[in-house]
Amino acid sequence: EVQLVESGGGLVQPGRSMKLSCAASGFTFSSFPMAWVRQAPTKGLEWVATISTSGGSTYYRDSVKGRFTISRDNAKSTLYLQMNSLRSEDTATYYCTRVTTVADYFDYWGQGVMVTVSS
Amino acid sequence: DTVLTQSPALAVSPGERVTISCRASESVSTLMHWYQQKPGQQPTLLIYLASNLESGVPARFSGSGSGTDFTLTIDPVEADDTATYYCQQSWNDPWTFGGGTKLELK
Repeated sequence: EVQLVESGGGLVQPGRSMKLSCAASGFTFSSFPMAWVRQAPTKGLEWVATISTSGGSTYYRDSVKGRFTISRDNAKSTLYLQMNSLRSEDTATYYCTRVTTVADYFDYWGQGVMVTVSS
Repeated sequence: DTVLTQSPALAVSPGERVTISCRASESVSTLMHWYQQKPGQQPTLLIYLASNLESGVPARFSGSGSGTDFTLTIDPVEADDTATYYCQQSWNDPWTFGGGTKLELK
């Protein structure tokens, strides 16, 4: 059974940093691209970042470029999101997702972790 | 960015047929996918590549469309289908989601 379990969220002040983790199990982690998708309170879904199977290629939405870094450790089957210079508009539930190799859609989602940016 | 437009909400009675639409601001070929999000839960994949049913999803769900106009159909609707439904395109960068359609049962 595929499982994605996020951790590391909480309350953080504007301008500070936070690192999210996602522990994956039930599949060959190194064979799949992975992504983070977020959802602000009462809002819709928003793609944040994607990483290739090896970690050699990364992609970001414009609003987080230069502030967020997606990375992975295939030996530990773990995905990360380092978030720096956090803003109030980054407040959201962050979902770890598996990306299919067929056509770039998200076939498995974690339960999500809440990040609140507030003073 | 490719904007995906969905109707905000629909209300139907159990046993009825419902269609949820998603219109793209530019062509996305058939790289359109649908997700269901029940209150307090993470989204789950329903339909991929416009019309392919994800494994384990009831056959009451179906998808159609290509280019800019897409439809998710539920027939018949059941009480458990109360949820918000999102479309997502992966043809153009960045990948984008529709605003979601909240389905309520009468």
